[in-house]
Amino acid sequence: DTGVSQNPRHKITKRGQNVTFRCDPISEHNRLYWYRQTLGQGPEFLTYFQNEAQLEKSRLLSDRFSAERPKGSFSTLEIQRTEQGDSAMYLCASTPVAKNIQYFGAGTRLSVL
Amino acid sequence: RKEVEQDPGPFNVPEGATVAFNCTYSNSASQSFFWYRQDCRKEPKLLMSVYSSGNEDGRFTAQLNRASQYISLLIRDSKLSDSATYLCVVTHYGGSQGNLIFGKGTKLSVKP
Repeated sequence: DTGVSQNPRHKITKRGQNVTFRCDPISEHNRLYWYRQTLGQGPEFLTYFQNEAQLEKSRLLSDRFSAERPKGSFSTLEIQRTEQGDSAMYLCASTPVAKNIQYFGAGTRLSVL
Repeated sequence: RKEVEQDPGPFNVPEGATVAFNCTYSNSASQSFFWYRQDCRKEPKLLMSVYSSGNEDGRFTAQLNRASQYISLLIRDSKLSDSATYLCVVTHYGGSQGNLIFGKGTKLSVKP
């Protein structure tokens, strides 16, 4: 499978716990994006990387959220001290050089109890 | 007010019907425009880009009116498999940059 891969697919956690999600983009895609989607809404941008550099962060990305892409390949999104309002689908997308098409992974569905 | 507005539907249509979705965007600096399709509990997938001259892909036709900041999608001869949520998407950048800005989506249900 050469698509965008996200793990885990589902995560159930208790309020206050930390969670980390992983995204493996399509090989050689230099841009990687994180979005969040809640029920009945379209995806909302969180942050994006060009190679290992984090170039933009949405104001949705509170201090409890951190994203990394240490070697310009896979990326992780960590949420500290989770809140019930963090429950959502977290989507990762990647884009090849000089293309404006984003390819999405299947997402990680987070439920905070 | 959201930057990209869509009628949430749902649109319930019989097979073979023609259905049109509308979308408006508020930022006149928006550069690129798309329709994405999202099946229930799945990821969004690009349906088609939208160009000022209008473009067609089989049964699907997309139109862009920059002056009115309006985007449309027309589906002809709808199939059961067209049932999905259709997301109107803009970016503020051309080329290979920029995050996507999504509308809430319009849900389509095609019935036999």
